[in-house]
Amino acid sequence: NAGVTQTPKFQVLKTGQSMTLQCAQDMNHEYMSWYRQDPGMGLRLIHYSVGAGITDQGEVPNGYNVSRSTTEDFPLRLLSAAPSQTSVYFCASSPRGATNTEAFFGQGTRLTVV
Amino acid sequence: DAKTTQPPSMDCAEGRAANLPCNHSTISGNEYVYWYRQIHSQGPQYIIHGLKNNETNEMASLIITEDRKSSTLILPHATLRDTAVYYCIVRVYPVSGSARQLTFGSGTQLTVLP
Repeated sequence: NAGVTQTPKFQVLKTGQSMTLQCAQDMNHEYMSWYRQDPGMGLRLIHYSVGAGITDQGEVPNGYNVSRSTTEDFPLRLLSAAPSQTSVYFCASSPRGATNTEAFFGQGTRLTVV
Repeated sequence: DAKTTQPPSMDCAEGRAANLPCNHSTISGNEYVYWYRQIHSQGPQYIIHGLKNNETNEMASLIITEDRKSSTLILPHATLRDTAVYYCIVRVYPVSGSARQLTFGSGTQLTVLP
């Protein structure tokens, strides 16, 4: 059972470059989300999705786009990378229904923008 | 969601119980207390959650005061592998189709000492 898989694990970008962080889950979870974590801080929500075709903004959405064409995948796109986007990015998923709301997190993507 | 207050750091001797406090004095009647931990920059891991009754699972126990304004996470026999940042999060219990975002504070850095 793979759970939540994030790729790549590490990435270095130049300012202005674009890239997509991949997130996939094999648990048929309804809800998926992206967080970023800066050094010494807690996680902050970037975007989230409550199901295929439905996305919404979180606390820090600027500079990021998302889409949810399938239940399994929730990619995060950086349109024009900036040094302020240097961070660790975590993807999470949660199951459908009200009986279990535990969130499962991926192992993170460590992004450096130079 | 209600705001939480946690001590920034705590130490605990290996094999002893670790008691991590959390204050949530503005919690409302439909908000639950969740605990997650993050081991050395890995993805956060769900530990336990509760509303007003004490809860126990294979990882920990959660004690919530009668007025629900504070809670304590108890790791009964701490090991070196329990060294992590522990996050106390308060939020409304999500129903199917609703968002499940988590609002992370700075958490408590628990260090288990040999």
